[in-house]
Amino acid sequence: AQRVTQPEKLLSVFKGAPVELKCNYSYSGSPELFWYVQYSRQRLQLLLRHISRESIKGFTADLNKGETSFHLKKPFAQEEDSAMYYCALMPGFQKLVFGTGTRLLVSP
Amino acid sequence: DADVTQTPRNRITKTGKRIMLECSQTKGHDRMYWYRQDPGLGLRLIYYSFDVKDINKGEISDGYSVSRQAQAKFSLSLESAIPNQTALYFCATSDIGRNEQFFGPGTRLTVL
Repeated sequence: AQRVTQPEKLLSVFKGAPVELKCNYSYSGSPELFWYVQYSRQRLQLLLRHISRESIKGFTADLNKGETSFHLKKPFAQEEDSAMYYCALMPGFQKLVFGTGTRLLVSP
Repeated sequence: DADVTQTPRNRITKTGKRIMLECSQTKGHDRMYWYRQDPGLGLRLIYYSFDVKDINKGEISDGYSVSRQAQAKFSLSLESAIPNQTALYFCATSDIGRNEQFFGPGTRLTVL
């Protein structure tokens, strides 16, 4: 079965601290993985995808097929990073399977 | 700007009522999706459509139906609403060959 696991419902850090939002997936094929973000009172939007291997707003995520993980990292958190973050798997046919989400709270 | 819109944005209804949520897009995308979001459960796919003549069930289609009236319009219906259908509903679109999905602002539905 295709599944995405985000073990933390809430991650609370101070401004300037490193952040790592965990994501593990189960899928037997070659996955395509995404991180979506939902800021307060805004719609869900794509943050980054593994195939582009880019850094967006200081966030990076590396696909580790051995550990079936796609953790989202940022070395220095900012208050404006506070949001709900969803890891998502696209097993094929453009259907997304979402994790349950992690709320990131960055305090001053 | 090309956009994905949803109406209504908020709706309170009673058990047993028929409800329709509408989604329109000006992005010119062929593919459209309906999700529901529940606290602690994330987003779950209800139905999706890859073109006007294509309708597919998602993970949690029971109790829901959809209609793809045109490329730009995809409606979600609850034939007889029940309280556990209280949730935030999102419509999304994507373009063929591109895997990014674009989401609407959501409809908050409360079934009393």
